[in-house]
Amino acid sequence: DQQVKQNSPSLSVQEGRISILNCDYTNSMFDYFLWYKKYPAEGPTFLISISSIKDKNEDGRFTVFLNKSAKHLSLHIVPSQPGDSAVYFCAALGFGNEKLTFGTGTRLTIIP
Amino acid sequence: EPEVTQTPSHQVTQMGQEVILRCVPISNHLYFYWYRQILGQKVEFLVSFYNNEISEKSEIFDDQFSVERPDGSNFTLKIRSTKLEDSAMYFCASSEWRNQPQHFGDGTRLSIL
Repeated sequence: DQQVKQNSPSLSVQEGRISILNCDYTNSMFDYFLWYKKYPAEGPTFLISISSIKDKNEDGRFTVFLNKSAKHLSLHIVPSQPGDSAVYFCAALGFGNEKLTFGTGTRLTIIP
Repeated sequence: EPEVTQTPSHQVTQMGQEVILRCVPISNHLYFYWYRQILGQKVEFLVSFYNNEISEKSEIFDDQFSVERPDGSNFTLKIRSTKLEDSAMYFCASSEWRNQPQHFGDGTRLSIL
């Protein structure tokens, strides 16, 4: 099941710079997208979401961009902080569904 | 901040035994979910529950699985006769409504021997 793909398994970014995490999806029925952050031995923590009727949503240091025609979304973190080091999951919901479909995750490491 | 709590954090069980995983969802949430993550694989949806019944389930959620809300606060996942391949992290989640962010607990690591 490759409906949600995160092609970069890992990413390293200098503290204070921008982190950009990418996600692609194939199912046109997805209409709500979420980013989660996960530390070891903890559950996924909700970060930010975006509905398919929007192309951008911002919350503090986190911004999610959605390009529906490309079936692509990205998460921008500015400025990156050491506490942002974690695994980030992209997830998608289809209209009328309750099942979240997750990507494989990207491990973000912030270098002090 | 309200959170989803799961117990136990780690469960070790012999193959063929029944196991019950417990969750306390966030109190004003109406939708409840179970997911699992086998080591090295994606987080996979198992089941969603609303208004005291299953509202959606995956093909993984076969007859050996069941869910229950036995009282006003707990939400349980029962695996009737465990298999080696049931070894995984099991996450409970809840949301206020459909198409709202799902909030996850820290998971129960289930190890089948």
